[in-house]
Amino acid sequence: VQLVESGGGLVKPGGSLRLSCAASGFTFNIYAMNWVRQAPGKGLEWVSFISSSSDNIYYADSVKGRFTISRDNAKNSVYLQMNSLRAEDTAMYYCARDEAGWGQGTLVTVSS
Amino acid sequence: DIQLTQSPSTLSASVGDRVTITCRASQSISSWLAWYQQKPGKAPKLLIYKASSLESGVPSRFSGSGSGTEFTLTISSLQPDDFATYYCQQYDSYFRTFGQGTKVEMK
Repeated sequence: VQLVESGGGLVKPGGSLRLSCAASGFTFNIYAMNWVRQAPGKGLEWVSFISSSSDNIYYADSVKGRFTISRDNAKNSVYLQMNSLRAEDTAMYYCARDEAGWGQGTLVTVSS
Repeated sequence: DIQLTQSPSTLSASVGDRVTITCRASQSISSWLAWYQQKPGKAPKLLIYKASSLESGVPSRFSGSGSGTEFTLTISSLQPDDFATYYCQQYDSYFRTFGQGTKVEMK
C-alpha cells in the first residue's frame, strides 16, 4: 500500500486549497478512504470519510460545510477541497485507508 | 460520536519493561480498533488492526487484545526504538475517532 499526498502549502485565512492523494499497491476502488489531520504538537483528528463508490461521505463537525471530499477511482486518487480556511486548519494532512498504512502527509499552513 | 479514552497519557519505562496501554470506547465497537505508533516528524505507523491482528513487518513483541469497549496494546519487552507516542483509533463508525495518545518515554 502506498499513499502519496500533495497540494499543501501556505494560504491566507479565507482561502482555498485542494489536496490530492495518489494510491497504489492495492485495489483502490473497493476501499473506503479517509483524511486525517494533525495540528502542530497535537493529536490525530479524523477529518472526512468517503466510501468506495462515493455513496457515503461524512465530515467532522469542525470542517463540515467548508471541506469536500471526492475520489476518482479511474485515477486511483482521493481529494480534499478545502474552502474558507482558518488558522485552526493549520496541520499536516494525511490520506489513510483503514487497516493499512498512511501517506507521509502534506502540510497546510493558514496564515496572513 | 464514539469517544476513545487512552490511559495513561504518559508512561515512563525502561528497556526490557513490559508495557501496557489501555483504550476504552464510549460504546461497543466490536473489534474495529487499530493501534498506531508515531515518532516526531513522522507519519503514524499501523501496528495492530481488528484489535489483535499484527500488521505485516511489525515485531511480535507488540500485541493487541480486547473487544467491545476495552482494549489493550502490550509491548512485551520494550526496545529503544519503541519510545514514541501511541494512538488507538476506532473504525466501527463512519465518524472515525482517535484516542488522545500515550507517550512512552524513557525512565
